[in-house]
Amino acid sequence: GDSVTQMEGPVTLSEEAFLTINCTYTATGYPSLFWYVQYPGEGLQLLLKATKADDKGSNKGFEATYRKETTSFHLEKGSVQVSDSAVYFCALSDHGSARQLTFGSGTQLTVLP
Amino acid sequence: NAGVMQNPRHLVRRRGQEARLRCSPMKGHSHVYWYRQLPEEGLKFMVYLQKENIIDESGMPKERFSAEFPKEGPSILRIQQVVRGDSAAYFCASSPPRQGGDTQYFGPGTRLTVL
Repeated sequence: GDSVTQMEGPVTLSEEAFLTINCTYTATGYPSLFWYVQYPGEGLQLLLKATKADDKGSNKGFEATYRKETTSFHLEKGSVQVSDSAVYFCALSDHGSARQLTFGSGTQLTVLP
Repeated sequence: NAGVMQNPRHLVRRRGQEARLRCSPMKGHSHVYWYRQLPEEGLKFMVYLQKENIIDESGMPKERFSAEFPKEGPSILRIQQVVRGDSAAYFCASSPPRQGGDTQYFGPGTRLTVL
């Protein structure tokens, strides 16, 4: 079945540091890929998405590129802020009738001032 | 446009009681999904519903759990005879009809605590 593997956390960075959170996936078809962010005590917010190979999703300075050859969708940001502290989830959705999201285990990011 | 709404936000039940969690999808969305998040874990899919139909319940425990999305009103996730292991955050998500894309929009969740 489908699966998503995320970089183990927690990750602690200083403000303005470069961020990479690795995500690789296994899927039988050609899924859509997502990054969601969860702030403490809240639900998940869609951060960015990509629906086909070589697409780049971007939002709020975050980027991720759909790499079919390496089955990866790594999240990057050039300069993190304290307000980026949250849990980040990588997820995929197949294009079959089920449409369920399969999530990674999440990566806790803490940005220190 | 209001987002996905869930209530209650926090629910405390004693073992053996019933828990009812409600979800109102975004306006125009006809697809609802329920996910469970155990402490320190990612979200796990439970069930996918459209109005009056269960499309995929492959993630639902076989006993005590049920879900519905009636023609009128919110979607309901019902847990009968709750046990301590049911303590988790339950998230609802909605999406527009297929032609609108496959992005799911999440509600704030219901945090269930079983004493």
